[in-house]
Amino acid sequence: DAGITQSPRHKVTETGTPVTLRCHQTENHRYMYWYRQDPGHGLRLIHYSYGVKDTDKGEVSDGYSVSRSKTEDFLLTLESATSSQTSVYFCAISEIQGIYGAEAFFGQGTRLTVV
Amino acid sequence: AQKITQTQPGMFVQEKEAVTLDCTYDTSDQSYGLFWYKQPSSGEMIFLIYQGSYDEQNATEGRYSLNFQKARKSANLVISASQLGDSAMYFCAMRPLKGNQFYFGTGTSLTVIP
Repeated sequence: DAGITQSPRHKVTETGTPVTLRCHQTENHRYMYWYRQDPGHGLRLIHYSYGVKDTDKGEVSDGYSVSRSKTEDFLLTLESATSSQTSVYFCAISEIQGIYGAEAFFGQGTRLTVV
Repeated sequence: AQKITQTQPGMFVQEKEAVTLDCTYDTSDQSYGLFWYKQPSSGEMIFLIYQGSYDEQNATEGRYSLNFQKARKSANLVISASQLGDSAMYFCAMRPLKGNQFYFGTGTSLTVIP
């Protein structure tokens, strides 16, 4: 199994508070991603990183920020949590896609509830 | 823009029968990869199979095969000899060769009936 660890695995927080989710990899993969999963929406990309300090927005980036100061760590921050950010968050990693493809490997997920 | 469509929210299949899960995609890219993932009720995302857009043969991995029709932009997953453990959500995804992102469909929930 790919070495990806998400922390925490579960979190309940109050509206308006900041929250940081951590993704740690031991695979030295270049790309790291944060997705959220909601019923009926599948997985939607929040932000991704293609190297240390290199990040870009996904389709649902509003209200989220990320940082990657080391190859192995990718942090997702909700600056001021809202109930609409209640979701399951997945971190994923991948290598550069070549002719043989490069699948994404996923962490176990973080279930975040904003009350 | 990239878009992945899975039109079957839920599917049922009898144990030991084959089942096809549909996936169509919309892209202007010429080179891309197509992926299928399984998500059991425990929540983890499990990679199943990969197909490159330039591969002439359909990909196979054990009981999984990918029915790839490039002109129709479809990448259907075929599961043969269904087992009870195949009950799960299944997601189709695409990654352009030049791009960094994975684009996912909304998923199909498969239930295998004993």
